[in-house]
Amino acid sequence: DGGITQSPKYLFRKEGQNVTLSCEQNLNHDAMYWYRQDPGQGLRLIYYSQIVNDFQKGDIAEGYSVSREKKESFPLTVTSAQKNPTAFYLCASTRVGQGPYEQYFGPGTRLTVT
Amino acid sequence: EDKVVQSPLSLVVHEGDTVTLNCSYEVTNFRSLLWYKQEKKAPTFLFMLTSSGIEKKSGRLSSILDKKELFSILNITATQTGDSAIYLCAVGSYNTDKLIFGTGTRLQVFP
Repeated sequence: DGGITQSPKYLFRKEGQNVTLSCEQNLNHDAMYWYRQDPGQGLRLIYYSQIVNDFQKGDIAEGYSVSREKKESFPLTVTSAQKNPTAFYLCASTRVGQGPYEQYFGPGTRLTVT
Repeated sequence: EDKVVQSPLSLVVHEGDTVTLNCSYEVTNFRSLLWYKQEKKAPTFLFMLTSSGIEKKSGRLSSILDKKELFSILNITATQTGDSAIYLCAVGSYNTDKLIFGTGTRLQVFP
């Protein structure tokens, strides 16, 4: 079955610690995205990548970092510089080309920082 | 600045009712408008509307796009409790590879 997996489902961390969220896809999609979802705020784009070894900042990139060493994988690190990291994080992927194409989403990781 | 606005923010109905969800947008060089349904976790794709496809229908759900007035509506007829979810609207532009999401409409359907 093709799809996007995110792990872990729930993550608890103490303030001041960096944490890395995993996102893997086997859809052979070139583009991958990280979103943050807070209650009443819809999805806000953190980072995205159209191709391996290249990525761009989204609207709320401060305090986050990413890497794209493999087509299938796009991990997100939430650093201690992120002021309010508690949120629901969603990873998505899509084809690149003539389009337009819909984005496919993973099941999400709920991060709680205390 | 590009933006997508959804209304209402929240809606409570009884099973069997018909609902209309709204999505208006201001996006430079519009390319597509997408509707997603989000229950507990991953948003699932419902429809994509473009200049060449301004009406879509699947079962009890239907959607239209008005490119002149810059809005879309999502209709759900004969609602069921399984329709309870957040419905997200997103718009794509030729200027960017990103989607711009609205804040979503939370629909609750009671028996």
